[in-house]
Amino acid sequence: DTAVSQTPKYLVTQMGNDKSIKCEQNLGHDTMYWYKQDSKKFLKIMFSYNNKELIINETVPNRFSPKSPDKAHLNLHINSLELGDSAVYFCASSQVYSGVTGELFFGEGSRLTVL
Amino acid sequence: AQRVTQPEKLLSVFKGAPVELKCNYSYSGSPELFWYVQYSRQRLQLLLRHISRESIKGFTADLNKGETSFHLKKPFAQEEDSAMYYCALGRATGKLIFGQGTTLQVKP
Repeated sequence: DTAVSQTPKYLVTQMGNDKSIKCEQNLGHDTMYWYKQDSKKFLKIMFSYNNKELIINETVPNRFSPKSPDKAHLNLHINSLELGDSAVYFCASSQVYSGVTGELFFGEGSRLTVL
Repeated sequence: AQRVTQPEKLLSVFKGAPVELKCNYSYSGSPELFWYVQYSRQRLQLLLRHISRESIKGFTADLNKGETSFHLKKPFAQEEDSAMYYCALGRATGKLIFGQGTTLQVKP
């Protein structure tokens, strides 16, 4: 009965490869996010989808492409991986109310290591 | 520009000592502020939010608009409080802007 689940938890790959991380939430939330946590533990938003529509797209290289097949899923595909992409990627979901920021529920994170 | 600053990367205290984790923000509108916590091997989770004005696990945080601060305090630290703490500024879109995080280490 995990609320926000991401797969895989660990991913080790070579530079130049393409990889995907999947995320699913069973909370019935309408908004999902991808956050990146770098080696200094700094947590920064990458994307946000509301009801399958992209609403936040920070300055992320276009090698990163999120896809939301339905409001319970938000996947992250990364092309041509670079060393600097090594990080922990967190998926999160929330229910956005008018004028109020809802609580974010996070997944366990997916640690990506690019060699 | 909207920004959240946590000046201390690491805060180390002894059990029973008071704790204050600092957070300052920069935001022109009316801020929504949060503290999130990540215990070892657990997922990041909400600790408290300023609009609730509640105490969670003995922690409180008061929004000071004059000083643009939202410091997290606990009068007597416990070993189980050791964790990574993030201050965050919320937007109506649901976007959270996080500070750099502070690792709290409570020594026995």
